[in-house]
Amino acid sequence: QKEVEQNSGPLSVPEGAIASLNCTYSDRGSQSFFWYRQYSGKSPELIMSIYSNGDKEDGRFTAQLNKASQYVSLLIRDSQPSDSATYLCAVRARTYKYIFGTGTRLKVLA
Amino acid sequence: DAGVIQSPRHEVTEMGQEVTLRCKPISGHNSLFWYRQTMMRGLELLIYFNNNVPIDDSGMPEDRFSAKMPNASFSTLKIQPSEPRDSAVYFCASNSDGLTEAFFGQGTRLTVV
Repeated sequence: QKEVEQNSGPLSVPEGAIASLNCTYSDRGSQSFFWYRQYSGKSPELIMSIYSNGDKEDGRFTAQLNKASQYVSLLIRDSQPSDSATYLCAVRARTYKYIFGTGTRLKVLA
Repeated sequence: DAGVIQSPRHEVTEMGQEVTLRCKPISGHNSLFWYRQTMMRGLELLIYFNNNVPIDDSGMPEDRFSAKMPNASFSTLKIQPSEPRDSAVYFCASNSDGLTEAFFGQGTRLTVV
């Protein structure tokens, strides 16, 4: 089992729709969870962090964490073509390493 | 703040040559990470330093790879000898102690021919 798993996609959604991205992790002791966005040829940039169970909202983005189920998700409301990118889920494990999933490619269709 | 600075941005080298990648973390950050990214394997953690000390190098693929952090503001990743399968984008990231996010440099695109 991979430490952090994501569906590679591509996930295609029409402009204005909600995009839902999911991630599971294996280390129950993980404490910090992150969503990074990576455009082609660029470095990953942080868009959301979440540390406790529940939802965290920031503009059009909502991160959801369920530690019992070892599940993290990212919702993007009112998706825009500029949101088209690869979204990387990252977990900071008990060993303080940041472990990344392989990413989900999102395509927002105009 | 200039962010994490990596050099070179692009490197093309011949198989068998030594390659050295460089990283300057954000000032005040005491954790530094080297990652390798390929289409097939995604973003893989190679090595992690804390306070200039290598803490976990379990991701370093082979003895051909080595990394050093002689001081808080500089780290190198060396590949000797390089092979075509080492072609990838290599990222350096840093953060301060705690649970917050890691900040990435712009990466070095390595091509070994």
